[in-house]
Amino acid sequence: AQSVTQPDIHITVSEGASLELRCNYSYGATPYLFWYVQSPGQGLQLLLKYFSGDTLVQGIKGFEAEFKRSQSSFNLRKPSVHWSDAAEYFCAVGPFSGGYNKLIFGAGTRLAVHP
Amino acid sequence: KAGVTQTPRYLIKTRGQQVTLSCSPISGHRSVSWYQQTPGQGLQFLFEYFSETQRNKGNFPGRFSGRQFSNSRSEMNVSTLELGDSALYLCASRRTSGSYEQYFGPGTRLTVT
Repeated sequence: AQSVTQPDIHITVSEGASLELRCNYSYGATPYLFWYVQSPGQGLQLLLKYFSGDTLVQGIKGFEAEFKRSQSSFNLRKPSVHWSDAAEYFCAVGPFSGGYNKLIFGAGTRLAVHP
Repeated sequence: KAGVTQTPRYLIKTRGQQVTLSCSPISGHRSVSWYQQTPGQGLQFLFEYFSETQRNKGNFPGRFSGRQFSNSRSEMNVSTLELGDSALYLCASRRTSGSYEQYFGPGTRLTVT
C-alpha cells in the first residue's frame, strides 16, 4: 500500500541554521512527490513538486528537495532558515495509476525556529 | 489569479445536525478534491470531483457526500454530525490537463458540540 513517513514530528532550529526535513515514501511505481507548508489556521501551500527529470528540485521561499529513488526519499532542505519558516510541513505522494487522483500525506513535521 | 476559496471559514454545529461546506476552485481548474484534517488522523482524502462526477472516494462513511456544479464549484455535505467530525476540511483544485499538483484553500473549521 502507498504510504508516506515523516520520521520527525518536531524539529527546532536556530534562525540562520540549515534545515533538512525527512520524507520516505512507499509506492511501487514512479511517484509524484510534493512538499506543502501549513501555517497555523491556514490551508496548505505548495512548496515544490517532483514529477520526473532532475532529482534536485527548487521551490518557493528558498526551499529545495532531492528525490532519491534508491532510498525512497524526498527530503526537503533550506540552507538558512528564517523565523517566518516556523510552520508545519507535509510531504505527499500522488496521484496513482488508474486515475486515482488523491494525495497521501505524511503526518507532518512541525518546525520551530529559535531567534 | 484568485486562489481556492472556501466558505464558511468557521462553523459550530450540534451532534445530529447536517452541514454543507462550499469550495470555489481556481479559475480554469476543473477538478476539486476534499480532505479532512484532524490531529489524530492527519490529512485524509474524502473525494474528488471532475466534470460534475465523483471520480474517487476515500474511506469515509456515506454520511459524507459531495457534488460539483457546472462552473466547477463544489459542495460537501455531512449529515448526522458526530463529535468525531470536528476537523479542518480542506478543498483543493487541480487544472487536470497535464497537471498533477493540487492547490488548497484555507479550509473550513468545523466544530461539533
